[in-house]
Amino acid sequence: NAGVTQTPKFRVLKTGQSMTLLCAQDMNHEYMYWYRQDPGMGLRLIHYSVGEGTTAKGEVPDGYNVSRLKKQNFLLGLESAAPSQTSVYFCASSSYGSGRAKNIQYFGAGTRLSVL
Amino acid sequence: AQKITQTQPGMFVQEKEAVTLDCTYDTSDQSYGLFWYKQPSSGEMIFLIYQGSYDEQNATEGRYSLNFQKARKSANLVISASQLGDSAMYFCAMREYGGTSYGKLTFGQGTILTVHP
Repeated sequence: NAGVTQTPKFRVLKTGQSMTLLCAQDMNHEYMYWYRQDPGMGLRLIHYSVGEGTTAKGEVPDGYNVSRLKKQNFLLGLESAAPSQTSVYFCASSSYGSGRAKNIQYFGAGTRLSVL
Repeated sequence: AQKITQTQPGMFVQEKEAVTLDCTYDTSDQSYGLFWYKQPSSGEMIFLIYQGSYDEQNATEGRYSLNFQKARKSANLVISASQLGDSAMYFCAMREYGGTSYGKLTFGQGTILTVHP
């Protein structure tokens, strides 16, 4: 009953450090997404993937990179963290097509990241 | 221009009463989906309800219903018989299928709902 699992749940980085956030889903979904949530701004799309081996930029991609080497995993990397990247990061996955079941995006529990 | 607008930063409701959370959207696509998610203080995003643009009937999921008015481009969430556990942030979101959208969700800024006993 795992759904979408994100690791880690919390992380504190110093400016300039790098890290990778891992997202894993067990629902065989084609589509996976990374969002960030900042106070008063809702969720904004960072990068997304429509299938294994494919990635694309979302609304706020600068400073992030992603990879999807396996269908079930979607990694978000910060090469040189900046204080502006302090945020809560959510991974989501979905199927694609018509109807309710194929359109629901399921979210992980989030990663709270602080960059000092 | 904002694609999803939630004009109510905060709403209050008495326990057991109904409440409506407003959402308007903007799209030129004919095919799209509208969603509501709940985010309690614990932080997770919980799916509540989905409405497809071609669905003729308003969606319902238990105590949640979506008042879909296509011509007005509105997708208001109605919560009936509010409970204390409904206190949370609520997000309206839209999934578009045209062009290069690739089905990504666009979120509104959210409405904080507080249920009073």
